[in-house]
Amino acid sequence: EVQLVQSATEVKEPGGSLKISCQASGFNFTRYWIGWVRQMPGKGLEWMGSIYPGDSRSRYSPSFEGQISVSADKKTTTAFLQWGSLRASDTAIYYCARRLVRGGPADYWGRGTLVIVSS
Amino acid sequence: DIVLTQTPRSLSVTPGQPASISCRSSQSLLYTDGTAHLYWYLQKPGQSPKLLIYELSKRFSGVPDRFSGSGSGTDFTLKISRVEAEDVGTYYCMQSIDLPLTFGGGTKVELK
Repeated sequence: EVQLVQSATEVKEPGGSLKISCQASGFNFTRYWIGWVRQMPGKGLEWMGSIYPGDSRSRYSPSFEGQISVSADKKTTTAFLQWGSLRASDTAIYYCARRLVRGGPADYWGRGTLVIVSS
Repeated sequence: DIVLTQTPRSLSVTPGQPASISCRSSQSLLYTDGTAHLYWYLQKPGQSPKLLIYELSKRFSGVPDRFSGSGSGTDFTLKISRVEAEDVGTYYCMQSIDLPLTFGGGTKVELK
């Protein structure tokens, strides 16, 4: 069974750094792109970026490039989304999804990680 | 960027009645091999999105056959033949023919 288990809710102050995770199981982690989607409160879905764990290739939306980084650890079959300096506007739910890539159908999704950025 | 415009933004449906959602793309989503990279998702309240339809008209594993997808290169439709209570939520279309991946604005379906 394909599963993507995301890390718990985070509450951070503006300017802080953060790394959230998405642990995969039930499939060959190194052969599928894993991507990240932002959903701001009461809003729609926005693709942020994706990574291919097999060779660490990554792709970013121009809207998010430079503000976030995606990475993956093949040993723990975990993908990560990282911020260097959080802003209040980063408050959102972040979903990881398998096959979130050009030509892909984003077939399985995690349950989401709520990130709250507030002083 | 490819813009996906969904209509209507909200829909109130009597259980057992059909429903239809439109998704219009600013560019063709047909790949050279004829595959249409258009997908439909349902996000139930408080849950993550779930894939319903992939490549225009193929139902994902476990999706009831009351859901169907159709369309051409730029105009797409999701139809629910008979709406049930479990179909309540927000429906999104998504394209993956080109980066950045983009989603439609969503259509919220509720029961009358």
